[in-house]
Amino acid sequence: QVQLVGSGGGVVQPGRSLRLSCTASGFTLVTYALHWVRQPPGKGLEWVAAISYDGGKTYYADSVKGRFTISRDNSKNSFYLQMDSLRTEDTAIYYCARDLHFDILTGYPNWFDPWGQGDRVTVSS
Amino acid sequence: DIQMTQSPSSLSASIEDRVTITCRASQSIGSHLNWYQQKPGRAPRLLIYAASSLQTGVPARFSGSGSGTDFTLTINSLQPEDFATYYCQQTYSTPLTFGGGTKVAIK
Repeated sequence: QVQLVGSGGGVVQPGRSLRLSCTASGFTLVTYALHWVRQPPGKGLEWVAAISYDGGKTYYADSVKGRFTISRDNSKNSFYLQMDSLRTEDTAIYYCARDLHFDILTGYPNWFDPWGQGDRVTVSS
Repeated sequence: DIQMTQSPSSLSASIEDRVTITCRASQSIGSHLNWYQQKPGRAPRLLIYAASSLQTGVPARFSGSGSGTDFTLTINSLQPEDFATYYCQQTYSTPLTFGGGTKVAIK
């Protein structure tokens, strides 16, 4: 079964750090770009970050640039979101997702499938 | 940034109704448009990619159309399992952006 399983969510104080992980099963991640998307409580979806198939290119939303880092370890069939200097407005459910292409902005349409189950991150003092 | 505007933000419909949701991009995005369905407490599910292609396993009552700036998701003969929130997404340029969502409720 093709799926992504996320982990690492929790409650953290403002200014602290947290690392989310996402591991694939049923397929290998090595040829795909990967994404993190978040959803604040009761709100819509916000794309957070993406990484190309080999980790050579990374992309970020302005709201997290300089604070969050996306990375991948193809040998572990996993990818990560390191979240530093967390703010209360980072509180959300974080979803990992696979892109169906090796990179974004190639001129070809991209789409996300599958998605992980979601991990709740709460930033609160 | 490309803004994605969905309408309506919510609607009420009956079983077997035909439902149409629209999504407008603030600039041309070609066919770089996807549609997702999300149910409460669940991750989004891909329905339509590249504006009009039906994802494997998605019922044929779902269809997508459009290009450039104006797109439509149509659900023919609404079924009980279709009550959910629907999001459009553009992947033409970063930041990748989603519409605000359309909640489809039971009338």
